[in-house]
Amino acid sequence: DAKTTQPNSMESNEEEPVHLPCNHSTISGTDYIHWYRQLPSQGPEYVIHGLTSNVNNRMASLAIAEDRKSSTLILHRATLRDAAVYYCILQPFGNEKLTFGTGTRLTIIP
Amino acid sequence: GAGVSQTPSNKVTEKGKYVELRCDPISGHTALYWYRQSLGQGPEFLIYFQGTGAADDSGLPNDRFFAVRPEGSVSTLKIQRTERGDSAVYLCASSLVGLSGNTEAFFGQGTRLTVV
Repeated sequence: DAKTTQPNSMESNEEEPVHLPCNHSTISGTDYIHWYRQLPSQGPEYVIHGLTSNVNNRMASLAIAEDRKSSTLILHRATLRDAAVYYCILQPFGNEKLTFGTGTRLTIIP
Repeated sequence: GAGVSQTPSNKVTEKGKYVELRCDPISGHTALYWYRQSLGQGPEFLIYFQGTGAADDSGLPNDRFFAVRPEGSVSTLKIQRTERGDSAVYLCASSLVGLSGNTEAFFGQGTRLTVV
């Protein structure tokens, strides 16, 4: 399975935008890019996913590089409730497994 | 309820005992998944059900682990002869028809299993 690389941790100030990077240089053409997050003592929560084009939803935006070898999750205005571990996952079409790495631990500074 | 429900939320058992962990998926979701999460790690896939059948059990670590979903809704993860290394948070997730890249999974809050 194609792997992703994320920074272990990031910090951001409350009410500022946050850009969480993910490298996936071995991505294949049928791999979707998914982001999940896990708040303390909770199960993972879906954030957003995309294939080639940038995506927006109520939680975040996903910016995908033109060559698809990297992507960035954008939280437009971080709140304390956004403090979590964020996982970038490549999901091959037809594959039911989510392969989580260790993710990026995001700390929000009040 | 509206979400995936897992019971119990915490389970402490003695080494060598048998345990059952229960998952109630979102109503109408045909796909169900079990994951295991050790401290400081991301969740690891165990097994995937489509309806009543286990479509992929490649993540089960050994034959002490078994899961069933007899009526295509509730699932039970069964662990025989528990070992201290089985201590982890066991997560259940469901999806409407399956992930296949283009849909999302909904996770429960997990069952924290501690083997003493």
